[in-house]
Amino acid sequence: AQRVTQPEKLLSVFKGAPVELKCNYSYSGSPELFWYVQYSRQRLQLLLRHISRESIKGFTADLNKGETSFHLKKPFAQEEDSAMYYCALNGPTNFGNEKLTFGTGTRLTIIP
Amino acid sequence: NAGVMQNPRHLVRRRGQEARLRCSPMKGHSHVYWYRQLPEEGLKFMVYLQKENIIDESGMPKERFSAEFPKEGPSILRIQQVVRGDSAAYFCASSPPMSAEENEKLFFGSGTQLSVL
Repeated sequence: AQRVTQPEKLLSVFKGAPVELKCNYSYSGSPELFWYVQYSRQRLQLLLRHISRESIKGFTADLNKGETSFHLKKPFAQEEDSAMYYCALNGPTNFGNEKLTFGTGTRLTIIP
Repeated sequence: NAGVMQNPRHLVRRRGQEARLRCSPMKGHSHVYWYRQLPEEGLKFMVYLQKENIIDESGMPKERFSAEFPKEGPSILRIQQVVRGDSAAYFCASSPPMSAEENEKLFFGSGTQLSVL
């Protein structure tokens, strides 16, 4: 069964400090991993996906198959990073069907 | 492009009533997904539809819940005889055809918050 675990419900970080949002998954094959973000009063939107291997808004995430993790990182937090972050997984058997399994989310608050 | 439109934003029902949630996908998108978010939980997949077809309903409760995406008009998630446990945020998402090259595959609506009294 697919499962995504985000162990931290809340995370507070000072502005300028590094940020790491943890995500672990369980899946028997090779999944596709995503990070979604929801800013205050806005819709859930894609932040990044592991396949694209790019940095968005200074955030990066590396898929570690050995540790089954996909932690989201940013070296220097900014106030506008305050939001709800969701890690999500899509198994390749669902290719063409974007049936994502979401974690419970982490609310990131950046302290000025 | 107005994005994925869901209405109503908030819906209040008494136990036993019916709830109808609407979702209009983004222009050019023919795939619709419904997700439910219970309090303190992550979004959970309910159903995946294409026009006039239910492709995957593995996340739908066996009773009282149904979904449709007619040839014309929005997708409808229908909950009959609502109970308090149905209170949740219901999110719709749409995606373009598989042939389209878009980095972001799923576009979410703002959700409908259903409250059952």
